[in-house]
Amino acid sequence: DIQMTQSPSTLSASLGDRVTITCRASQSIGDWLAWYQQKAGRSPKLLISAASSLERGVPSRFSGSGSGTQFTLTISSLQPDDFATYYCQQYDSYSLSFGGGTKVEIK
Amino acid sequence: QVQLVQSEGGVVQPGKSLRLSCAVSGFTFSNTAMHWVRQTPDKGLEWVTAISDDGRDKHYADSVKGRFIVSRDNSKNILYLQLNSLKSDDTAVYFCGREGHSSGRAGNLNYWGQGVPVTVSS
Repeated sequence: DIQMTQSPSTLSASLGDRVTITCRASQSIGDWLAWYQQKAGRSPKLLISAASSLERGVPSRFSGSGSGTQFTLTISSLQPDDFATYYCQQYDSYSLSFGGGTKVEIK
Repeated sequence: QVQLVQSEGGVVQPGKSLRLSCAVSGFTFSNTAMHWVRQTPDKGLEWVTAISDDGRDKHYADSVKGRFIVSRDNSKNILYLQLNSLKSDDTAVYFCGREGHSSGRAGNLNYWGQGVPVTVSS
């Protein structure tokens, strides 16, 4: 099975900061990677598909990059609504797998 | 608009069974693969199972294989998850999800149900 490793697990940042979250796959997954945002008590929300394709309605301050085994999610200028937990997920093959999550906190 | 509405979860004794359901609307259910994912504070998000649009192909996580059964009723637009031989490790919030972008082998989830808690305890 493919293991997904995210870093950092927690990130403290201020409004307006540029934030980068990293996700590493245990083997190559091409660009079959998704990013989700989850707020406390809510369901995850899909932000990015295919490593870099922004879902409709997602603000352009979010961007994704990478392929193979290394991927990043970047928030160009952190906004109040962005404080949440972010997960990566590979969908190259079953079993699907998620990263452990990165909690973005207010500094 | 797309909606996935899950039935209530519950508290179940170890070894017992429970069935979850997920009623969908706002899209053509019979054309869409569906998934179940669960979440715990310790393990985070864990994919559980997926079922193809016609119900013929099913995939399971090793942790639930042989105990959980996914099914669907395309005439009623309902997805099911039968949880059998429940263990304390199955305690989690369970989400149903609609498959979005696909690699041809698997997919991501572009819409999620509200999530329901399942507690396995004596």
